[in-house]
Amino acid sequence: ILNVEQSPQSLHVQEGDSTNFTCSFPSSNFYALHWYRWETAKSPEALFVMTLNGDEKKKGRISATLNTKEGYSYLYIKGSQPEDSATYLCARRDDTDKLIFGTGTRLQVFP
Amino acid sequence: DSGVTQTPKHLITATGQRVTLRCSPRSGDLSVYWYQQSLDQGLQFLIQYYNGEERAKGNILERFSAQQFPDLHSELNLSSLELGDSALYFCASSVAGTGAGYNEQFFGPGTRLTVL
Repeated sequence: ILNVEQSPQSLHVQEGDSTNFTCSFPSSNFYALHWYRWETAKSPEALFVMTLNGDEKKKGRISATLNTKEGYSYLYIKGSQPEDSATYLCARRDDTDKLIFGTGTRLQVFP
Repeated sequence: DSGVTQTPKHLITATGQRVTLRCSPRSGDLSVYWYQQSLDQGLQFLIQYYNGEERAKGNILERFSAQQFPDLHSELNLSSLELGDSALYFCASSVAGTGAGYNEQFFGPGTRLTVL
């Protein structure tokens, strides 16, 4: 994998459903994986920064895991709520400190 | 509110013109990053400054330049504007400058540039 790729591109779920998305990235020269939540007309909001293989982070109903050896990260949302509707971005950081972003997963949660 | 401020919020200009976008980082952050979000593209890294010095460069066009001032605010200058430069320009800031552990980047609200 040469770029950061996210799947699916978009997702529509019912309130209360649990969901997950994938971020795939090059595993060489890896420093950190960032997850952001981006609501329309707002700035991307930092969710997690993960650096170590096997890292797991949790914030409320949202959690993330990291596999640096195979180059992927999963983001999970348990019991989705309408306010979770947003685009979820992942970004890989190497030793140059710049973030290389995927194109995001657009989540829409219907009441 | 991330603590990163950007002005102006919107900018409409004509092709061939020059504009300046301004960013003030969070208090205490030394690094400023500029990103461009065009239609159908993800956020693209343009350039990073750390404590006044250029630290990393992405796919930034030669018509674009940036600087970081002693008070740590940064400006992105876009000249000879083309229709394709229409995009959302984000500034982000962080404490550290190089690959350091949990070096979280905090994003400003963005400047939407429309070139007519």
